[in-house]
Amino acid sequence: GIQVEQSPPDLILQEGANSTLRCNFSDSVNNLQWFHQNPWGQLINLFYIPSGTKQNGRLSATTVATERYSLLYISSSQTTDSGVYFCAAEYNNDMRFGAGTRLTVKP
Amino acid sequence: GAGVSQSPSNKVTEKGKDVELRCDPISGHTALYWYRQSLGQGLEFLIYFQGNSAPDKSGLPSDRFSAERTGGSVSTLTIQRTQQEDSAVYLCASTRANVLTFGAGSRLTVL
Repeated sequence: GIQVEQSPPDLILQEGANSTLRCNFSDSVNNLQWFHQNPWGQLINLFYIPSGTKQNGRLSATTVATERYSLLYISSSQTTDSGVYFCAAEYNNDMRFGAGTRLTVKP
Repeated sequence: GAGVSQSPSNKVTEKGKDVELRCDPISGHTALYWYRQSLGQGLEFLIYFQGNSAPDKSGLPSDRFSAERTGGSVSTLTIQRTQQEDSAVYLCASTRANVLTFGAGSRLTVL
């Protein structure tokens, strides 16, 4: 199956700072999604982004499929952004997750 | 339903017992995934169902694990003769147009 690697594994920010999370994947993909897992364990879909760029408020994501990576940008971070961010890559219905980036935003 | 529903939300069992975990996907979603998440870890793929096709069972860790999906809707994940290493959160997700929606998970603790 597809190999998915995320970096950094851990990130600590001061409130208001910006950050970039990276996701590398090993093969061509039909589907690339970013998720946020909140402290209660619920996984929330942030972006469905197999290619191109999307923005939703303070969050945006870019996937460069030909170079097999995706980036998640968080601007003006807030304490509520804390949690684990996962990317998931799918080819032919085989969807695999990275190990996640654990983000802590301090007040 | 409005979301993916999983039950039970918490299950504590003794080593060696069998457990069943249930997933009720969003109505109309044809694809369903089961994942396992151990404490502080990422998501481990277990099994995938798509419509009436044969399921992709390649992620099941041993023959103690099995899953079925009846009528293309509700799915049950069964773990036989549970072991302590089976303790984890079991997550179900259903998809439409390739966007995954997750349930809240079933937390299994094997004593």
